[in-house]
Amino acid sequence: DIVMTQTPLSSPVTLGQPASISCRSSQSLVHSDGNTYLSWLQQRPGQPPRLLIYKISKRFSGVPDRFSGSGSGTDFTLKISRLDAEDVGVYYCMQTTQFPHTFGQGTKLEIK
Amino acid sequence: QVQLVESGGGVVQPGRSLRLSCAASGFIFSDFAMHWVRQAPGKGLEWVSVIWYDGNDKYYADSVKGRFTISRDNSNNMLYLQMNSLRAEDTAVYYCAKSFEVAAILGSWGQGTLVTVSS
Repeated sequence: DIVMTQTPLSSPVTLGQPASISCRSSQSLVHSDGNTYLSWLQQRPGQPPRLLIYKISKRFSGVPDRFSGSGSGTDFTLKISRLDAEDVGVYYCMQTTQFPHTFGQGTKLEIK
Repeated sequence: QVQLVESGGGVVQPGRSLRLSCAASGFIFSDFAMHWVRQAPGKGLEWVSVIWYDGNDKYYADSVKGRFTISRDNSNNMLYLQMNSLRAEDTAVYYCAKSFEVAAILGSWGQGTLVTVSS
């Protein structure tokens, strides 16, 4: 199975300041179809997960442009350009290139 | 808009069975692969299973293979998860999720249903 490792696991951030989360996979996530199926999801307290970013860097419908994704191969990053109060929650990277699909441990983003 | 409503959760004894349902609306259900993902209390997310749009392909996590069966009824826009031989470690909120563009992108998620396996 592909292991997804996120850092940090917890991050206190000041409102209005940038935040960054890293995700590393134990194997390349490049699919045989040429795509890299690396997604980022947000889970606010008491809510279901919500897709933010798919295929490394594509923002899902309705996601603010302060969220961006980057990376390639085995190393990926989610960046929030300016933290908003509604961004508090846990963020997960997820690979769906290979079965079984696997998630990172989650990164808890909180206000400093 | 896409709506996914899970049901069927509850308290069940170890070794017993339970069937979860996910009612889908707001999109052409038969065009999209569907997933189940679970989350144990206070823990992270674990992918459980996926079924292709036509029901012909199914994949499972090793932790549920041979015990859980995913299925769908495209006539009634329903997704199911039959869970047999339940264990304490199956206790979790179970979410259904709709694919987006391709089966490998989990675009929309339901609110989840809680399954508690306890004697």
